[in-house]
Amino acid sequence: NAGVMQNPRHLVRRRGQEARLRCSPMKGHSHVYWYRQLPEEGLKFMVYLQKENIIDESGMPKERFSAEFPKEGPSILRIQQVVRGDSAAYFCASSPDRLYGYTFGSGTRLTVV
Amino acid sequence: KQEVTQIPAALSVPEGENLVLNCSFTDSAIYNLQWFRQDPGKGLTSLLLIQSSQREQTSGRLNASLDKSSGRSTLYIAASQPGDSATYLCAAPQESYGGSQGNLIFGKGTKLSVKP
Repeated sequence: NAGVMQNPRHLVRRRGQEARLRCSPMKGHSHVYWYRQLPEEGLKFMVYLQKENIIDESGMPKERFSAEFPKEGPSILRIQQVVRGDSAAYFCASSPDRLYGYTFGSGTRLTVV
Repeated sequence: KQEVTQIPAALSVPEGENLVLNCSFTDSAIYNLQWFRQDPGKGLTSLLLIQSSQREQTSGRLNASLDKSSGRSTLYIAASQPGDSATYLCAAPQESYGGSQGNLIFGKGTKLSVKP
């Protein structure tokens, strides 16, 4: 079991470009969560997805950010027209059920230049 | 709305000491609580998961306790080593039983430094 796989590990984008972050959950895990960690700040919840459904997106910025977890393939966090303030570490976690613990990926570190 | 607080924010101890990290949460109707470790520039590693029916969990030199009635959890590290240096995060669910959300709310962490 390869664990939660996130790619790329590091991503550099110029202001105004799009960033796509991928997350493949652990085998057998149907719940995916995205978190953002700004420098020197704590982990902030962004979105909770199950296959083909967004369960809770209360932590997502209203504009430019979107997430999906299609029937086939990884979950995608998409940030359009990136700005410097989007620079952060983005972590994905998965679980087999909300009553079980999370397993985190290694994160994608986004730098906007 | 769940809020998680961790104290102290930072802790420096000499190697070999036993230490306790504290976590408090506002919504005590949780179904579990999880402790993580984060090394600088790295992801999160799960250390211990305590279900609401349990009072404590142990893994090696780590012991985590849960007191739902008081809204507190502690992480006890025995015989600390320099390799234990990291940030320790406590996380509790946003929703209690019956809620549809499963997302965890994290404290800001305790940054531990164990000096040789």
